[in-house]
Amino acid sequence: QVQLQESGPGLVKPSQTLSVTCTVSGGSISSGGYYWSWIRQHPGKGLEWIGYIYYSGSPYHNPSLKSRATISVDTSKNQFSLKLSSVTAADTAVYYCARGAYDFDMWGQGTLVTVSS
Amino acid sequence: QSALTQPASVSGSPGQSITISCTGTSSDVGGYKYVSWFQQHPGKAPKLMIYDVNNRPSGVSNRFSGSKSGNTASLTISGLQAEDEADYYCSSYTSSSTLFGGGTKLTVL
Repeated sequence: QVQLQESGPGLVKPSQTLSVTCTVSGGSISSGGYYWSWIRQHPGKGLEWIGYIYYSGSPYHNPSLKSRATISVDTSKNQFSLKLSSVTAADTAVYYCARGAYDFDMWGQGTLVTVSS
Repeated sequence: QSALTQPASVSGSPGQSITISCTGTSSDVGGYKYVSWFQQHPGKAPKLMIYDVNNRPSGVSNRFSGSKSGNTASLTISGLQAEDEADYYCSSYTSSSTLFGGGTKLTVL
């Protein structure tokens, strides 16, 4: 059974870069067949797609994030990561990693990242 | 690209059926057979309930069904149960991104 687990700092200062990592267990990212995604949910709000990556391909990012988001994959660690630059309070959210590009069939539990000085 | 449009809330009594709509455009919902539905209980991660418009993952009750007509997709829940009370989100693939609906809160009366 594939499991995903997010890890991150919890608190990030405004203007800094937010970094969160998703560790995949029970299966290999490099075995192919799936995209790996980041999704966030602002407190009390709906879901927002951030982007996805294939283990061997280029990432796709939500244009609304205006090039602040960068998704990468480390197959040696079976992890994929999100970096979000120049954060503001509006980036405070629960960040989820998930398997899939639109049909997200496996999710991590989510990690709350708060942007505050 | 704008989010897909869902009603903010729907309600129904136990045993009844309800339908949640998800309206997009010909560039997303109407253009692809790639619509999914998710259930989210408070404090939990979303759970995939329907994919590719009308397919159920293994383990999801057959009380959940999906359909699509034009630019609008729908999720129908029959035989409502108390545990169905949750938020529901649709998603759609597009050529350059993935869109979510704004979410619908289902209340079981």
